[in-house]
Parts: sequence; structure tokens; C-alpha cells
Amino acid sequence: GQNIDQPTEMTATEGAIVQINCTYQTSGFNGLFWYQQHAGEAPTFLSYNVLDGLEEKGRFSSFLSRSKGYSYLLLKELQMKDSASYLCAPERNYGQNFVFGPGTRLSVLP
Amino acid sequence: KAGVTQTPRYLIKTRGQQVTLSCSPISGHRSVSWYQQTPGQGLQFLFEYFSETQRNKGNFPGRFSGRQFSNSRSEMNVSTLELGDSALYLCASSIGTSVGNTIYFGEGSWLTVV
Repeated sequence: GQNIDQPTEMTATEGAIVQINCTYQTSGFNGLFWYQQHAGEAPTFLSYNVLDGLEEKGRFSSFLSRSKGYSYLLLKELQMKDSASYLCAPERNYGQNFVFGPGTRLSVLP
Repeated sequence: KAGVTQTPRYLIKTRGQQVTLSCSPISGHRSVSWYQQTPGQGLQFLFEYFSETQRNKGNFPGRFSGRQFSNSRSEMNVSTLELGDSALYLCASSIGTSVGNTIYFGEGSWLTVV
């Protein structure tokens, strides 16, 4: 089965750092994807973690702890354009590979 | 390289009608999946196709169906439309079905049922 939890909304200030958490209970877990979705647009790929630890990609980093069923997305030097929903998607190694979490709507204020 | 293309982008239908949505995946991608997105339910998986075969199906009624053609293009159909079918329908493609394959989304088709 699947159970994915993310905060519904978060607010942060331009230039700040924000951490968006995702906890999951996923049978057959293989890895975890993060997607960004601006209002009215399609989700776009941000990161993929399969091993424990932190993956850094510019201003965005993603962390995974397989044993704890926990991931976070870290956004540094926030910009107004980072205002969007962030979806975590645990990946399974069988059946329907992707199940998306409910998403976290991030608002970046000036 | 062109992205995932979905048509039409916007459409309005009446209750009881049926609708067909089209998706052209990224060139070389053979897996196509469909999602429904609504404010209340988030992104819900409909079905996935690979090599013209339905590989997985989500928990939606039989009114929702799909198919994939030999060129990997896919269509989904919703019959006997209900008001609750109003949503953004997203198509996503990936190279294959192996784990670790990123899925790439199209811009979506906004369906309004009145």
C-alpha cells in the first residue's frame, strides 16, 4: 500500500531557506522523486533519490532516509518564482510505479 | 527535442457526453501514463501503457479507458461524463517502465463538464 504525507502549505521569505518534508509508507519502495508544479502548469522533474543521503543540484537539494521513510526537499536562496506546489512521489519496484503525495504549496513573499 | 504534447488544451462538455484526449510522448519514449488532477484529490493515477498494452490501472470506474498506438501515441476516453470529471488530465511519458525512469508531463487537457 501507500501512505504519503506532506505539509499542505508553507510560506517563506525571498532569499531564505525552506525545507519541505515528505514521509511515506510504500511497499516495494525503490526511490523517491520530487516534482515542482506552478499553478496551471504541468509538474516538472526536480530530483530523484535512490540512496540514503543528500543530493545537491544548484539551489535545490533532496534528502532521503530509506529506513525512516522520510525525504525532504531543501530550497536555498528562495526566489519569487519558487512559489509553486512541490510533490513527492515514492517509486515502487512493481505495479504502478508512481504515487504522488498531496503536494505542498509554497508561497515566497518579498 | 519536443516535449509531451496533449490535445486539446481546453474543452467544455455536457454531462452524459463522451470525450477523447490525445497524447504524443517524447520521441523515443514508449511508456505513457495518464493522471487526473483536481484540487481536492491531487494527482491521481489513471493508467499506464507500454508497447500498446495497458500495464497498470488506477482506481477509476470503467467509464475511463485508454489505448496506445504502435507509434506510442496514446488516447484516453471518458464516457458518460459526470460533473465530477471536471479536472486537469495530464499525460506523462518515459523511456520505459524500469525503475528510475523519470516521467515527463505534458501541459495537460483542462476538461470542464457542465
